[in-house]
Amino acid sequence: GQQLNQSPQSMFIQEGEDVSMNCTSSSIFNTWLWYKQDPGEGPVLLIALYKAGELTSNGRLTAQFGITRKDSFLNISASIPSDVGIYFCAGQLGGNTPLVFGKGTRLSVIA
Amino acid sequence: NAGVTQTPKFQVLKTGQSMTLQCAQDMNHNSMYWYRQDPGMGLRLIYYSASEGTTDKGEVPNGYNVSRLNKREFSLRLESAAPSQTSVYFCASSLQRRREAFFGQGTRLTVV
Repeated sequence: GQQLNQSPQSMFIQEGEDVSMNCTSSSIFNTWLWYKQDPGEGPVLLIALYKAGELTSNGRLTAQFGITRKDSFLNISASIPSDVGIYFCAGQLGGNTPLVFGKGTRLSVIA
Repeated sequence: NAGVTQTPKFQVLKTGQSMTLQCAQDMNHNSMYWYRQDPGMGLRLIYYSASEGTTDKGEVPNGYNVSRLNKREFSLRLESAAPSQTSVYFCASSLQRRREAFFGQGTRLTVV
């Protein structure tokens, strides 16, 4: 199946630091989505991107749809303890094809 | 609104037993999905239903069957559970022409 390469696998950062993570693929995607999963919960949608080059913010979160349509990144500014969790990227090839997910980035914030 | 509701939340099965995981959504979504999540593997698609009356295999369908009972409900059945099916199972739904999927809280299944 399609593969999304998400990096880094895990991050340990100090509270207040900025965070950056990304996803890459060998295929061209029409949509990129970013989700967050808290322990014991299902993933929750953070940001959706639909156009190449699109830059979208949601509070302290900013995500971009790469111009090649093969990558996307997520930035978190001024991290806080509640940012802890697993962040997933997801992409859709087009039409009614289901989402493909990356393996996740586990974020730990040290107060 | 409840969104996507999964039952049960936890289940322990013995090898060879069968069970059905239930999923219902109240958002009038056309498409529904079943994923499994294993440590370090992300979310892998088991089966999906693009619209009522259709189902298709995903990346890891072996050992599972699904039923799209109506527009709201999509069940996942394990006919003969195996330890390799120990996982967290997530149901999700989306509008057919929009891509954002909304997830339930998951079913944590252990097969011993």
